[in-house]
Amino acid sequence: DGGITQSPKYLFRKEGQNVTLSCEQNLNHDAMYWYRQDPGQGLRLIYYSQIVNDFQKGDIAEGYSVSREKKESFPLTVTSAQKNPTAFYLCASRERGAYNEQFFGPGTRLTVL
Amino acid sequence: AQTVTQSQPEMSVQEAETVTLSCTYDTSESDYYLFWYKQPPSRQMILVIRQEAYKQQNATENRFSVNFQKAAKSFSLKISDSQLGDAAMYFCAYRSAYGRQGAQKLVFGQGTRLTINP
Repeated sequence: DGGITQSPKYLFRKEGQNVTLSCEQNLNHDAMYWYRQDPGQGLRLIYYSQIVNDFQKGDIAEGYSVSREKKESFPLTVTSAQKNPTAFYLCASRERGAYNEQFFGPGTRLTVL
Repeated sequence: AQTVTQSQPEMSVQEAETVTLSCTYDTSESDYYLFWYKQPPSRQMILVIRQEAYKQQNATENRFSVNFQKAAKSFSLKISDSQLGDAAMYFCAYRSAYGRQGAQKLVFGQGTRLTINP
């Protein structure tokens, strides 16, 4: 089955530690996205990538980093510089075509203790 | 920058009744896409319906339909014959039609939590 997988579903880290969230897609989509979801604020874009080895900052990129070494994978690292990392993180991908929508993964809940 | 506003944090409806969720947006662009996404308790985002700005006809998907008022920058979602499985957070989202396709990000509203009463 084609889709987007994110792992793990729940992640706990101590304050000051970097942590990497996984996102893999087998939809052969060129574009991939990372969103952060906080209560009452909807989804906000962190980073996006249009093609392999290329990515751009979104609206709230500070304290985050990404890589896009393979078309299928777009991992997100939450660094110790992110002041409020506890949130729900969603990965998405999209096929070329103006009308095409973004498909979302199941998300990862990150809690920093 | 574009913004999307959902003024109803919570809504409730009786099963089998009809409910309308409101969404307004602000943009200076003439060509764009609007979406309604559903997020059930599993937190998986699911596309419900989409509308192209240059199409005057309102989109419809089974029990879900929209009322798209371009001049008023309004994009409401109507759910007919509400079912228990419709209970979820609903997000309105905007996407520009300009620029490189991969760079066309979604701008989300704050969401409306819909409760279905049996």
